[in-house]
Amino acid sequence: GAVVSQHPSRVICKSGTSVKIECRSLDFQATTMFWYRQFPKKSLMLMATSNEGSKATYEQGVEKDKFLINHASLTLSTLTVTSAHPEDSSFYICSAYRTSGAPSYEQYFGPGTRLTVT
Amino acid sequence: GENVEQHPSTLSVQEGDSAVIKCTYSDSASNYFPWYKQELGKGPQLIIDIRSNVGEKKDQRIAVTLNKTAKHFSLHITETQPEDSAVYFCAASLGRYGNKLVFGAGTILRVKS
Repeated sequence: GAVVSQHPSRVICKSGTSVKIECRSLDFQATTMFWYRQFPKKSLMLMATSNEGSKATYEQGVEKDKFLINHASLTLSTLTVTSAHPEDSSFYICSAYRTSGAPSYEQYFGPGTRLTVT
Repeated sequence: GENVEQHPSTLSVQEGDSAVIKCTYSDSASNYFPWYKQELGKGPQLIIDIRSNVGEKKDQRIAVTLNKTAKHFSLHITETQPEDSAVYFCAASLGRYGNKLVFGAGTILRVKS
């Protein structure tokens, strides 16, 4: 099956610092990746769509200057939370569409990154 | 835009019984409907999906049904086991390659042994 990894799985940072989260598709190429945020006992909230080689598309209400997304290759997208504050503490999850071989509609999710800002 | 509603929010069943989770969607153009299982502290895992040209799909103990006219789809789990306990999310999309998913609120399934 398609495997998506995220690194780190957990990170604790101090308020005001920046944190980078990596999302990798390990066994397939992904032109499109998505970044979600999930609060405890809540559903997934789409933050942005990451397209390889172009600017990310952000959902309404998501600050693009605070959540920087870079999709530099077909297997890697990064989310950088800049000047993090305690309210940015959350579970961040990425997903990817397979592009190698026959394109599919299936979206494969990473294991998530737990960010805690102190 | 698309809106997906999911019921119930919590569901408790006895081991061996069946569990049914229902979702409705608003955009008649949606034609791809996946179901995800999420365990505590992990990312969602795709367990089954259905496209709008199919009314029912089955994979061992899991099945999904789709009623396009009524714009609702359901997840059926038979012979439930304790390891089925998790949060289940339905979603809908236009099904185009790269199109974003709209998720339901989730259902906490507890299977009591």
